[in-house]
Amino acid sequence: DTGVSQDPRHKITKRGQNVTFRCDPISEHNRLYWYRQTLGQGPEFLTYFQNEAQLEKSRLLSDRFSAERPKGSFSTLEIQRTEQGDSAMYLCASSLVTSGEQFFGPGTRLTVL
Amino acid sequence: AQSVTQPDIHITVSEGASLELRCNYSYGATPYLFWYVQSPGQGLQLLLKYFSGDTLVQGIKGFEAEFKRSQSSFNLRKPSVHWSDAAEYFCAVGPAGGTSYGKLTFGQGTILTVHP
Repeated sequence: DTGVSQDPRHKITKRGQNVTFRCDPISEHNRLYWYRQTLGQGPEFLTYFQNEAQLEKSRLLSDRFSAERPKGSFSTLEIQRTEQGDSAMYLCASSLVTSGEQFFGPGTRLTVL
Repeated sequence: AQSVTQPDIHITVSEGASLELRCNYSYGATPYLFWYVQSPGQGLQLLLKYFSGDTLVQGIKGFEAEFKRSQSSFNLRKPSVHWSDAAEYFCAVGPAGGTSYGKLTFGQGTILTVHP
């Protein structure tokens, strides 16, 4: 399978714990995006990378959230001190820098108890 | 700021009937427009996209969409709906052109229910 993959698919955690999600983009794609989707809403942009550089962050991305793409391949999204409001589906997408077409992974569903 | 409005939260159609899902956008420059479909618990699959050229674009699964600049609309259509089309549909807008491609702004989505 050469699509975007995300791990884990589901994560249940207790409030206050830290969680980390991983995204593996399509191999030749140099852009990688993170979105968050809550129930009944469309995805909302969080941040994106071009290669290893983080080019834009949404104001939705509080200081408890950090994303990295250290070698310009896979990316991680960490949430520290999780809150119940962080419960959502976290979607990763990738694209070529020369194309606006983004390919999405299956998402990681986070539940904070 | 860019925004996308999908006025219909939920639409129900009978199998075999025609379908139109509405999308209106607000964007200050040349938009890049998309329709994605999401089945329960799944990621988003691209149905079709528009950047320039012919304002009627064809996508996968028999879907098409028409870009109307004067109405800032990009409505999705299908002449005959199949039960497997039941899903949630999202319209999205993004910047277009060269390295200006970037984040997408999505509408709230329209849930499609198909009756047999």
